[in-house]
Amino acid sequence: EVQLVESGGGLVQPGGSLRLSCAASGFTFSSSWMSWVRQAPGKGLEWVANINQDGSEQFYVDSLKGRFTISRDNVKNSLYLQMNSLRAEDTAVYYCARASRDLSGSYPSDWGQGTLVAVS
Amino acid sequence: SYELTQPPSVSVSPGHTARITCSGDALPKKYAYWYQQKPGQAPVLVLFEDTKRPSGIPERFSGSSSGTMATLTISGAQVEDEADYYCYSTDSSGHHCVFGGGTKLTIL
Repeated sequence: EVQLVESGGGLVQPGGSLRLSCAASGFTFSSSWMSWVRQAPGKGLEWVANINQDGSEQFYVDSLKGRFTISRDNVKNSLYLQMNSLRAEDTAVYYCARASRDLSGSYPSDWGQGTLVAVS
Repeated sequence: SYELTQPPSVSVSPGHTARITCSGDALPKKYAYWYQQKPGQAPVLVLFEDTKRPSGIPERFSGSSSGTMATLTISGAQVEDEADYYCYSTDSSGHHCVFGGGTKLTIL
């Protein structure tokens, strides 16, 4: 069974930094693309970033590029999101997801339960 | 930036058919995917590659895509299908992903 457990969320002041982690199990982590998706309170889902199997390729939503960095450790079966220069509008639940691949690209197929980041 | 457009809300009576649309310029060449999200829960994939159901998703969930519009159809909608539904796809490059704004499905 695929399990994705996010951690590292919490309350941070504007301008601060936070590093989210996602511990993966139940599948071959090193063979999977991975994603971060966020959801502001009462709002819709927003794709944040993708990373390929060995971490050599990362893709970001244009509005976040430069402040957020996605990375992974295939030895520890872990995904990370480094968030810098945080703003109030970054307040959201952040979901880690395993991304499946097809001819179109990648899509989240399995999700964690999310971790809340509050910037205030 | 690329956008997917969904109606904010759809209402249907129990046992009737609900249809939720998603429009986007790249959909003629890119697949659409659909997620169901109930309050306080993580999203769940209900359709991938326009029409395919993951294991465990009831047969009443189906999908289609034509031109710039993809459609999620719930045939014989049940009370437990009341949720927010999001479409998802990628831009023409395949590297940048986007969710639609979401549709609140009400079964009443």
